[in-house]
Amino acid sequence: DAMVIQNPRYQVTQFGKPVTLSCSQTLNHNVMYWYQQKSSQAPKLLFHYYDKDFNNEADTPDNFQSRRPNTSFCFLDIRSPGLGDAAMYLCATSRVTRDTQYFGPGTRLTVL
Amino acid sequence: QQQVKQSPQSLIVQKGGISIINCAYENTAFDYFPWYQQFPGKGPALLIAIRPDVSEKKEGRFTISFNKSAKQFSLHIMDSQPGDSATYFCAASSRIKAAGNKLTFGGGTRVLVKP
Repeated sequence: DAMVIQNPRYQVTQFGKPVTLSCSQTLNHNVMYWYQQKSSQAPKLLFHYYDKDFNNEADTPDNFQSRRPNTSFCFLDIRSPGLGDAAMYLCATSRVTRDTQYFGPGTRLTVL
Repeated sequence: QQQVKQSPQSLIVQKGGISIINCAYENTAFDYFPWYQQFPGKGPALLIAIRPDVSEKKEGRFTISFNKSAKQFSLHIMDSQPGDSATYFCAASSRIKAAGNKLTFGGGTRVLVKP
């Protein structure tokens, strides 16, 4: 089945230790998004790629970076995780502009 | 102007009852209104969506009602079942440059359906 896959599902890291989360898709969608979701809150968009065109949200901390080496894969790098970065990180894709977004299952990040 | 306000924050309904969640928006440029269902520990899943050229859309037990003049839309879950217990997010988006649509989410409603 075509889908959005995120790995790992659970990630534990130490304060300040870089971590990378990955997302892959078999939908062949042009757009890939990264969201941060904290408990009992709505997902918050961090950035998105349209093909290789990177679009950062104005309030996304510099601590968060992203890479999209090809259509299928997108990575979220957190350079120096703080306790406040503990959250669920969601990857989503959409075909083109204004199209429905499809979410992956998320990666739960714990920062010790 | 980008806000989407969602109410109530939480809702308890008996099995077989109707769950109603309301959302209001300000940005008249919004032209796509999806609802997402999210179970604990899972990603949001698209439930149903509407565009402003229709006032109502129904899919099974789920109905979206849309009032363009009032800038409000709502989700009705008919014959609510315990398996419907989840958090529901309304969202809205507008055409932006061809870098992909950008969803603005409501704050979410946690629905609990009691057996």
